Amino acid sequence: GDSVTQMEGPVTLSEEAFLTINCTYTATGYPSLFWYVQYPGEGLQLLLKATKADDKGSNKGFEATYRKETTSFHLEKGSVQVSDSAVYFCALNPNQAGTALIFGKGTTLSVSS
Amino acid sequence: EAQVTQNPRYLITVTGKKLTVTCSQNMNHEYMSWYRQDPGLGLRQIYYSMNVEVTDKGDVPEGYKVSRKEKRNFPLILESPSPNQTSLYFCASSGTGTSGGEQYFGPGTRLTVT
Repeated sequence: GDSVTQMEGPVTLSEEAFLTINCTYTATGYPSLFWYVQYPGEGLQLLLKATKADDKGSNKGFEATYRKETTSFHLEKGSVQVSDSAVYFCALNPNQAGTALIFGKGTTLSVSS
Repeated sequence: EAQVTQNPRYLITVTGKKLTVTCSQNMNHEYMSWYRQDPGLGLRQIYYSMNVEVTDKGDVPEGYKVSRKEKRNFPLILESPSPNQTSLYFCASSGTGTSGGEQYFGPGTRLTVT
């Protein structure tokens, strides 16, 4: 079945470092892909999304490109801040019809000053 | 403000004592869902609803019930809670017009069953 695999954490970086969190997926159709972020004590917020191959989602300095050839949707940011410390979830929607999201297990990012 | 609300945010209860966690959305979304989040397991879907009076099981429905009598509300019912239902619960909603099927999440309910 459809699944999402993301790199295990925790990821620990210094402020202004470059961030990559890897995400790969398995899907039979043409899924939409998402990155959600969960700040401490809060719910999940949509960070960015891409709905078709080669789309690039971007928000708050984060970017991810939908790569169908490598079934990947890696999250990147050029210069992280302490305020980026959170748990990041990669997710897919298999049929783009507003049904169940399939989540990766989450990657904890900790940024120190 | 468009939002999904959940109540209570924190709940400590004892085994077997029935409880209900409420969820409400103000975006007129057709689709609503409940997830639980556990360390090392990510988020797993419990139940979902495609519209009023239409509900179906997700991946981990055992021990839970839901109802969808109104479009905006989707309560989660634990009729006889057990310690293995100690978890962080999220309600989410999505509309048919939502691009790509993104979902909007509530703030979460942390449940402890002793």
